[in-house]
Amino acid sequence: KAGVTQTPRYLIKTRGQQVTLSCSPISGHRSVSWYQQTPGQGLQFLFEYFSETQRNKGNFPGRFSGRQFSNSRSEMNVSTLELGDSALYLCASSLGQGTTPGELFFGEGSRLTVL
Amino acid sequence: AQSVTQLGSHVSVSEGALVLLRCNYSSSVPPYLFWYVQYPNQGLQLLLKYTTGATLVKGINGFEAEFKKSETSFHLTKPSAHMSDAAEYFCAVIPSGGYQKVTFGIGTKLQVIP
Repeated sequence: KAGVTQTPRYLIKTRGQQVTLSCSPISGHRSVSWYQQTPGQGLQFLFEYFSETQRNKGNFPGRFSGRQFSNSRSEMNVSTLELGDSALYLCASSLGQGTTPGELFFGEGSRLTVL
Repeated sequence: AQSVTQLGSHVSVSEGALVLLRCNYSSSVPPYLFWYVQYPNQGLQLLLKYTTGATLVKGINGFEAEFKKSETSFHLTKPSAHMSDAAEYFCAVIPSGGYQKVTFGIGTKLQVIP
């Protein structure tokens, strides 16, 4: 069974640009959540989608957005990039319903560097 | 709102020694509790979880954790450290009835000395 796949794995952008990250969940998983990981802040929750609807949202500015498609694949977008957006962005999937919350399966992440 | 505190951002143990990683939580309702492990350049992997029932929870790779409500703690232990245990460990909490909005601790990097 294929795991969670995130693309691209590494990318470099400059300030002011925008970036789109993609996440393909495990087959059958309908919930996809996104986290930002930085050395100073640890793992911070961005948002969670279930059946194409945003179900939870963290405390990030509106520059951070996401969406989920009918096949459960998800994308997140960051516009007007800032230096502080440099981080590892992790996607996690789960069945999302009828199971214990928090049992997440993580991808390897997309490492974004903003210059 | 829930929060998680991991005492010690870096812990070093000798190979074969006891591993003890501390986690305390605050939550307005009884939570679900988790430990995740992250190896270099990889995503997180679930080690173990507490939902309801038995307070001593066993996970993968010989790790276990005990939920102590009176102490609001969920410390992770392993009797004998192995070199392959070197990784970063994250305690996490989600309130009962919550969705997937998991709150993670800052993480503890475990170093195993041969």
